Amino acid sequence: AQKVTQAQTEISVVEKEDVTLDCVYETRDTTYYLFWYKQPPSGELVFLIRRNSFDEQNEISGRYSWNFQKSTSSFNFTITASQVVDSAVYFCALSEAFQKLVFGTGTRLLVSP
Amino acid sequence: DAGITQSPRHKVTETGTPVTLRCHQTENHRYMYWYRQDPGHGLRLIHYSYGVKDTDKGEVSDGYSVSRSKTEDFLLTLESATSSQTSVYFCAISDLAGGSSYNEQFFGPGTRLTVL
Repeated sequence: AQKVTQAQTEISVVEKEDVTLDCVYETRDTTYYLFWYKQPPSGELVFLIRRNSFDEQNEISGRYSWNFQKSTSSFNFTITASQVVDSAVYFCALSEAFQKLVFGTGTRLLVSP
Repeated sequence: DAGITQSPRHKVTETGTPVTLRCHQTENHRYMYWYRQDPGHGLRLIHYSYGVKDTDKGEVSDGYSVSRSKTEDFLLTLESATSSQTSVYFCAISDLAGGSSYNEQFFGPGTRLTVL
């Protein structure tokens, strides 16, 4: 069975600090997809990134970067120079088949000025 | 942003009453999903649809039914609401466009349901 663990329930940082959100997954499949979503205080879910199991290249998008390591079954998310607007709950998710997502329990990030 | 609306956005109802939530999309996406979000659980899949009249159960389907008679609409029904179904319900859509074998899901704004 597939499972996603986000062990960090809540992280508090001060603006401009770098922060890494951890995501560890379990799956028996060799083909799978990993995702990160952001849920700001307004409540909507915003797609951030998708990565498939055959692509272990790290990705950078502005202040966001993602580190995918199959050897440790991890897909960690780093925000560089955090800003108050980054305050949100971040979800990591996994899909093995038929586009059904399994979500982690989320990490709440609080960025204070 | 993907064109997804949910109605109602908020609802308070009493135990034992039927409730129907509607998800409407304007993207002509094939796949539609219903999730519920609860503290400590993240989002959990209730039901999903892979086409008109084609639906299947998700992880937490007990007490829920769905219907999809048109591509654009996916209805979630609680036949007899219980307090344990108090939650925030999200609809999502996705499709296999551009030759991709998988595409990300886009979510609606959510419906907050309270069952007293």
